[in-house]
Amino acid sequence: RKEVEQDPGPFNVPEGATVAFNCTYSNSASQSFFWYRQDCRKEPKLLMSVYSSGNEDGRFTAQLNRASQYISLLIRDSKLSDSATYLCVVRDSNYQLIWGAGTKLIIKP
Amino acid sequence: EAQVTQNPRYLITVTGKKLTVTCSQNMNHEYMSWYRQDPGLGLRQIYYSMNVEVTDKGDVPEGYKVSRKEKRNFPLILESPSPNQTSLYFCASSPREYQNTQYFGPGTRLTVL
Repeated sequence: RKEVEQDPGPFNVPEGATVAFNCTYSNSASQSFFWYRQDCRKEPKLLMSVYSSGNEDGRFTAQLNRASQYISLLIRDSKLSDSATYLCVVRDSNYQLIWGAGTKLIIKP
Repeated sequence: EAQVTQNPRYLITVTGKKLTVTCSQNMNHEYMSWYRQDPGLGLRQIYYSMNVEVTDKGDVPEGYKVSRKEKRNFPLILESPSPNQTSLYFCASSPREYQNTQYFGPGTRLTVL
């Protein structure tokens, strides 16, 4: 079992819709959690950290469920520019970063 | 402009021909690392460096070497590349280890024939 698992997608979503995807992690002692965004063939960029109480940044909402060991990312009012691969990253109990393989999102006009 | 640069961006080479991928950051960051990204897999760390002259193995160090003689530079060396090292490589830096934000270079796409 992979330490950090994501549905690879692609998620094909019409512009303006709401989309959500999850990421599960195997180490219950994981310390912190992040979502990165990666455009095709480009470098990953931090989208947002995920806090225990959940957090929001504009149209993006991240949630953490420690009991079920997953984090989620919800995008409201999706834009064409949201098309990208979203990488889930977990800092484990040894403070190492474990990267998911990513979920591909395609926003269609 | 604060940035991480990598060179070359694209490289096609043959098995056994030594190569170096350079990485440089202008943010005075202490921590630098190298990752490889392969289809269906998350980024995997190759080597990292917590400061000048301090380097350590990541998850997949076999076949790679690094050096950190200066704070800004962290080259990745493949002494004898093999086809299984065909991958997309990213250099990253952060102010210190365990910082939440890592700054990535633009990537180097390496093909070993």
